[in-house]
Amino acid sequence: GAGVSQSPSNKVTEKGKDVELRCDPISGHTALYWYRQRLGQGLEFLIYFQGNSAPDKSGLPSDRFSAERTGESVSTLTIQRTQQEDSAVYLCASSRTGLAGAGELFFGEGSRLTVL
Amino acid sequence: KQEVTQIPAALSVPEGENLVLNCSFTDSAIYNLQWFRQDPGKGLTSLLLIQSSQREQTSGRLNASLDKSSGRSTLYIAASQPGDSATYLCAVPMEYGNKLVFGAGTILRVKS
Repeated sequence: GAGVSQSPSNKVTEKGKDVELRCDPISGHTALYWYRQRLGQGLEFLIYFQGNSAPDKSGLPSDRFSAERTGESVSTLTIQRTQQEDSAVYLCASSRTGLAGAGELFFGEGSRLTVL
Repeated sequence: KQEVTQIPAALSVPEGENLVLNCSFTDSAIYNLQWFRQDPGKGLTSLLLIQSSQREQTSGRLNASLDKSSGRSTLYIAASQPGDSATYLCAVPMEYGNKLVFGAGTILRVKS
């Protein structure tokens, strides 16, 4: 597609439920990133995928968070047993190369998660 | 640990003014520096990417400079317009690692 596409754009869920967020990167982009932005705060790195390499999961805040990516296509971020502190906008970005190749990042519009 | 600081945190100017946003980073071992714009409730839009070997990049009314050795970048906006109102973020990747480290942003308001 023309840009990074994320769904759903908004998700309201009850505490304790699982949620899945989807990211469809720009076609041909090998690198994919998930970031989290809490209200009024900066962006927190969550996870990075580069081609078929093992993902960098160093930013995932707890074992309730996981992400998958099949090849160089769609990625899903799953949050299990959601907590109120998980409420945030989850942003996905992709780049043609990884950061080591000085790739420019392009972001999606984000998925706004509200946990009641 | 890389830390990115943006000054000022907020800026309000009348339409037509030229303005400068500042970004500083603690570790000069960077591949590049990227400036983004974020409108309320929206994702980030890439404005300019400066490679570590470059001194500046220009796009329309925007000019970004990079002084890697001193750990500084500036974003210059000429002849500001109300449509420029947004949060401006700078970000740098680590030389070793895959994280893009973001500043907290400068909230810009251009008054008509």
